[in-house]
Amino acid sequence: QSALTQPASVSGSPGQSITISCTGTSSDVGTYKYVSWYQQYPGKAPKVMIYDVSNRPSGVSNRFSGSKSGNTASLTISGLQAEDEADYYCSTYTRSSTLNWMFGGGTKLTVL
Amino acid sequence: EVQLVQSGAEVKEPGESLRISCKASGYSFTSDWIGWVRQTPRKGLEWMGIIYPGDSDTRYSPSFQGQVTISADKSISTAYLQWSSLKASDTAMYYCATLIALCTTCSESSGFFDHWGQGTLVTVSS
Repeated sequence: QSALTQPASVSGSPGQSITISCTGTSSDVGTYKYVSWYQQYPGKAPKVMIYDVSNRPSGVSNRFSGSKSGNTASLTISGLQAEDEADYYCSTYTRSSTLNWMFGGGTKLTVL
Repeated sequence: EVQLVQSGAEVKEPGESLRISCKASGYSFTSDWIGWVRQTPRKGLEWMGIIYPGDSDTRYSPSFQGQVTISADKSISTAYLQWSSLKASDTAMYYCATLIALCTTCSESSGFFDHWGQGTLVTVSS
């Protein structure tokens, strides 16, 4: 059981938008603005797509966006493309008494 | 360009020791944190620990404290993850990743894993 809860799978057709949710608690996602999202293709390393809830690293398509409401963060992919088919993981890092990183269980995105 | 190149796949027996490596280039190795993340089909991604090669400050996840040792050799810009006695449950893919934005002494700081190595598959089986 992962610390952050994500749906196991989502799907969408090319051109559509999809949203992946990531639910934590008031002690992590609800308190800190350090939610990040990672894309992972089979057999490859994860790649950061969103950091600090809604920031995109240089080079990441603006079709990817992030948001947060309460204890739930979300990743939205608009204008879905075949190349977006991958696993997506959310993560949060907390810095209370110690540093701690948590990951979601991952969501398999299928582009129909 | 930031690059992290990890050592190759390993097949070991339970009880054996192992050290895997992560050679960094393209950024200031001694000025930024680098971490290790484990991935298994059952538990997904788990952070294991991070190290600041500049002064070897190391922080471990409680789940991995005492189970592994993280170190770094700044003379060759390489981070290491080692086990003294492997178990079958250590079978996993292991990734190193930088945390270039992390500032542990700041009141607020980003803490995401921004560049990743290609992964090292460790298989422990008798």
